[in-house]
Amino acid sequence: SQKIEQNSEALNIQEGKTATLTCNYTNYSPAYLQWYRQDPGRGPVFLLLIRENEKEKRKERLKVTFDTTLKQSLFHITASQPADSATYLCAPWGYNKLIFGAGTRLAVHP
Amino acid sequence: SQTIHQWPATLVQPVGSPLSLECTVEGTSNPNLYWYRQAAGRGLQLLFYSVGIGQISSEVPQNLSASRPQDRQFILSSKKLLLSDSGFYLCAWIGQEDSNYGYTFGSGTRLTVV
Repeated sequence: SQKIEQNSEALNIQEGKTATLTCNYTNYSPAYLQWYRQDPGRGPVFLLLIRENEKEKRKERLKVTFDTTLKQSLFHITASQPADSATYLCAPWGYNKLIFGAGTRLAVHP
Repeated sequence: SQTIHQWPATLVQPVGSPLSLECTVEGTSNPNLYWYRQAAGRGLQLLFYSVGIGQISSEVPQNLSASRPQDRQFILSSKKLLLSDSGFYLCAWIGQEDSNYGYTFGSGTRLTVV
C-alpha cells in the first residue's frame, strides 16, 4: 500500500534561518504533490502544488522540490518567522485521491 | 468567493448515539467533496468522497456513512457511535482535481465519543 513518511519529530529552528521539511513516499508514482499548513485545531490550508514534470516551484518565501527518482519532496521556508510555526502536511496524489502524511511540526524561535 | 461551512465545531456524544455532521459549500457548483478524519498525531484519513449528487465513494469500511442530498451539501452520519469514532473530522472541496488550487478545508469538528 501507499506510504507517506514525514519526520515525526518537531523541527526547531531560529528565526531568519531556512527550514527544510522532507516528504518521502513509497509504492506509487504521484502525478503531483501538494503541501499544506495546519494550525492546531484548524483545517489544513493549501500552500503549493508541484507536478511530476516540475523540479522546483516557488511562492514568496516557500520553495518545493520534487524528485520522482528519489520519491521525495523537500519543502523550504526561507527567512523563517515565528508566524511560520505550524504543522506542514505533504500530500501526493495517487489512486484518484490525495494521500496525506502525518505532518512535521515546525517551531520557529525568536 | 467560495466558502465552506462545517458544523458543529465540537461535539461530545455517548457511545451508541447517532451522529450527523453537515458541510456546505458556497460560491461554486458541482464541487468534489470529501470527508477526512484525523486522529491525534496521525495523517488525514480519507473516509468518503463525492463527485456529484447521490454519488458516494467509501474509502474505509467502518461505522460511518455519507450522503450528498444537494450539490453543495455533504453529510456524514452514524447510527451508533463507537469510541473509535472519536477524532477531528474535516470536510473539503475542490472544483476540479489536478487544478493548481488544492483542496479547501472546513474548520473541522472535534468529536469525542464517551
